[in-house]
Amino acid sequence: QSALTQPPSASGSPGQSVTISCTGTSSDVGGYNYVSWYQQHPGKAPKLMIYEVSKRPSGVPDRFSGSKSGNTASLTVSGLQAEDEADYYCSSYAGSVVFGGGTKLTVL
Amino acid sequence: EVQLVQSGAEVKKPGESLKISCKGSGYSFTSYWIGWVRQMPGKGLEWMGIIYPGDSDTRYSPSFQGQVTISADKSISTAYLQWSSLKASDTAMYYCARVTMVRGVIMAVDYWGQGTLVTVSS
Repeated sequence: QSALTQPPSASGSPGQSVTISCTGTSSDVGGYNYVSWYQQHPGKAPKLMIYEVSKRPSGVPDRFSGSKSGNTASLTVSGLQAEDEADYYCSSYAGSVVFGGGTKLTVL
Repeated sequence: EVQLVQSGAEVKKPGESLKISCKGSGYSFTSYWIGWVRQMPGKGLEWMGIIYPGDSDTRYSPSFQGQVTISADKSISTAYLQWSSLKASDTAMYYCARVTMVRGVIMAVDYWGQGTLVTVSS
């Protein structure tokens, strides 16, 4: 299983929206609706932000949304806030779990 | 409140053995799988494998098969990750996480432990 492809970096100003992509294949992202997104602040454990493509766990702000088209999943963060600056990882079911390489989101 | 509490940081020499732990609370420990994830310094997340504490069914990622052993003791709600002979390349942060798997499909990895930093150096 190869890692899913994410852009290494993304950025936006406070209040703006930013979208992070996660590209896989028909064997992972395209084949299952089990894409998740995790937020990881420096020195902290990952936190689940989106599961099953677009569902938000309790407590995650609705500024975070997920979608999928074909073999590419996306995470959109609307109304960017300073605390959204973190690394974001996608994952997909693919027989086991495969992660993306991570995207560093900078709030300008 | 669901919690996964991992054992503390370790500093070991190459060739030594090690077993780190992950204790679950706030949920039925035997009803969910526990997964282990490696994060090497400055790098991304890597899936190592999972265990179902209810019956110790264990599945390894091909990259980690034979390199580590995952186990669990359901009587004390604790999962383990162990090495028989550490290498410098095992230096990393290791996370345990609760996994929801239904009919063989991993649907979500929802709660994570705080991580255990393993440093292997001569």
